[in-house]
Amino acid sequence: ELKVEQNPLFLSMQEGKNYTIYCNYSTTSDRLYWYRQDPGKSLESLFVLLSNGAVKQEGRLMASLDTKARLSTLHITAAVHDLSATYFCAVDPEILLLTQGGSEKLVFGKGTKLTVNP
Amino acid sequence: ETGVTQTPRHLVMGMTNKKSLKCEQHLGHNAMYWYKQSAKKPLELMFVYSLEERVENNSVPSRFSPECPNSSHLFLHLHTLQPEDSALYLCASSQRTWDRGFLYSYEQYFGPGTRLTVT
Repeated sequence: ELKVEQNPLFLSMQEGKNYTIYCNYSTTSDRLYWYRQDPGKSLESLFVLLSNGAVKQEGRLMASLDTKARLSTLHITAAVHDLSATYFCAVDPEILLLTQGGSEKLVFGKGTKLTVNP
Repeated sequence: ETGVTQTPRHLVMGMTNKKSLKCEQHLGHNAMYWYKQSAKKPLELMFVYSLEERVENNSVPSRFSPECPNSSHLFLHLHTLQPEDSALYLCASSQRTWDRGFLYSYEQYFGPGTRLTVT
């Protein structure tokens, strides 16, 4: 069974600081997604990482994927209050054509609740 | 309408009521999903429909009954719910394809959710 672990689960940081959120997963995959969720709202897609070594950047957020280490990172640079939200990673497991069973779904981490303080 | 829409956005129902949640996707995707998100648990996948066939049912109680009449619409029929069923119910869609012998779900696009309260 694919397991996806994020850490930290809670992060409080000051504006202007840098930090990295980690997403580890337990099976082979080269497709990983990051989502953002504001309180009471739905999930918004941030990054799609589709190969080993993929790096995507949008504003103060940068995501990377290392499929050999089964690790993705979400790096926050010079945080601002608007980045306060919960961030989820989700892994798309590989399902072989001839394999019976397996789970045809994205597997989400538990989320990292980020609070950026002025 | 664009993306994934859900109605209603908020729903309050008694334990003896019957109601339905509706989801519609305008993205041409071939898979749709129901998720439950409560304060105490992370995002829980409930049902997956691929090409209008249910391909996954994660041990969801029978008081939740999904229906997928076509690739653009997904319903969640609710009856005799319990207070612990109060949660945010999210619908999502994606394009599932076979690629070099692997099945991928690709990126999921989420609707705004229905905030359900069971009294």
